[in-house]
Amino acid sequence: GEQVEQRPPHLSVREGDSAVITCTYTDPNSYYFFWYKQEPGASLQLLMKVFSSTEINEGQGFTVLLNKKDKRLSLNLTAAHPGDSAAYFCAVSDTNAYKVIFGKGTHLHVLP
Amino acid sequence: DMKVTQMPRYLIKRMGENVLLECGQDMSHETMYWYRQDPGLGLQLIYISYDVDSNSEGDIPKGYRVSRKKREHFSLILDSAKTNQTSVYFCASRSGQIYEQYFGPGTRLTVL
Repeated sequence: GEQVEQRPPHLSVREGDSAVITCTYTDPNSYYFFWYKQEPGASLQLLMKVFSSTEINEGQGFTVLLNKKDKRLSLNLTAAHPGDSAAYFCAVSDTNAYKVIFGKGTHLHVLP
Repeated sequence: DMKVTQMPRYLIKRMGENVLLECGQDMSHETMYWYRQDPGLGLQLIYISYDVDSNSEGDIPKGYRVSRKKREHFSLILDSAKTNQTSVYFCASRSGQIYEQYFGPGTRLTVL
């Protein structure tokens, strides 16, 4: 079955620096990709969803890249600020999206 | 505003006691999920419910059972709780027309 590996498990950056989190997956039929953010003690909130047909999605202060050839999904936070400190999870599913496989998460700490 | 609720938010039980975790959603979503989250392990799928009385085991169903008698309500039951079931439990829902899951606030369960 699908396996998702997320790296790094922990990441510390200074305010204003960029932070990159990467997930690799194994199933070439994977179609939907998600990034969730979880602040300490809180629930998971959807940050962005990416479909297999798109490669770059930009949000407020971050960019998501999908490389289907390498089966790699990345989240790039540009100019990180302390409010970005949280756990980030990637998630991958096939075309019906009923079962989603989550990465083990990255704990990001942005130092002032 | 889409909302998933969970009750209780915190629960302490003794080993061998029965546990009932409840989840509700007000979006008429067909599909609902139960996950547990443990440090370093990400989210692990316990059960999926595709609709009323249509439930399927996830990746770690042992020691758990579920009940869904109404579309808006999904229960997770632990018969004779064990100490290794101490965890944070998240409920989630999604509809057929969207692909992302909406998560509840979580229940922190401690089994002594």
